[in-house]
Amino acid sequence: GDSVTQMEGPVTLSEEAFLTINCTYTATGYPSLFWYVQYPGEGLQLLLKATKADDKGSNKGFEATYRKETTSFHLEKGSVQVSDSAVYFCALSAEYGNKLVFGAGTILRVKS
Amino acid sequence: DAGVIQSPRHEVTEMGQEVTLRCKPISGHNSLFWYRQTMMRGLELLIYFNNNVPIDDSGMPEDRFSAKMPNASFSTLKIQPSEPRDSAVYFCASSEQGGDTEAFFGQGTRLTVV
Repeated sequence: GDSVTQMEGPVTLSEEAFLTINCTYTATGYPSLFWYVQYPGEGLQLLLKATKADDKGSNKGFEATYRKETTSFHLEKGSVQVSDSAVYFCALSAEYGNKLVFGAGTILRVKS
Repeated sequence: DAGVIQSPRHEVTEMGQEVTLRCKPISGHNSLFWYRQTMMRGLELLIYFNNNVPIDDSGMPEDRFSAKMPNASFSTLKIQPSEPRDSAVYFCASSEQGGDTEAFFGQGTRLTVV
């Protein structure tokens, strides 16, 4: 079945460091790919998405590119802030239907 | 729209008791999802509905769990009888139908079974 694998955390960075969180997926067909973020005590909220190969999703300085050849959707940010500390989830939605499948989540901690 | 509304925000109950979690999706959304989040297992999809009809309940852990969606604006997740291992945060999410659409999450219900 469809699945998402993302790097284990926690990831601890200093402010202004470069961030990469790896995500790979297994799916039939052409899924849509998402990154969600969860701040403490809150539900998940969409950070960015890409719906077809080579699309780049971006929001709040975060970017991810849909790479079909490597089945990946890695999250990057050039300069993290303390306020980016949260849990980040990679997810896919199958080509047919809209069942969202999530990765395990990666905790990001940014120190000042 | 106020977003996805879940109630209660926190629930503490004794083992063996019935627990009912409630969700009001965003108006106009025709897909609804129930997720469970724990440290050990992460975020698990329990069940989802399209147009009030259950499509996939393969994530429901056992017969003690049941979910209903009697109309487009309300869903319940019931656990009867509850057990300590059911302690988790339960999220409801809704979306428009379609694989590329965003799911909007409620703030969750933190359930503690003692």
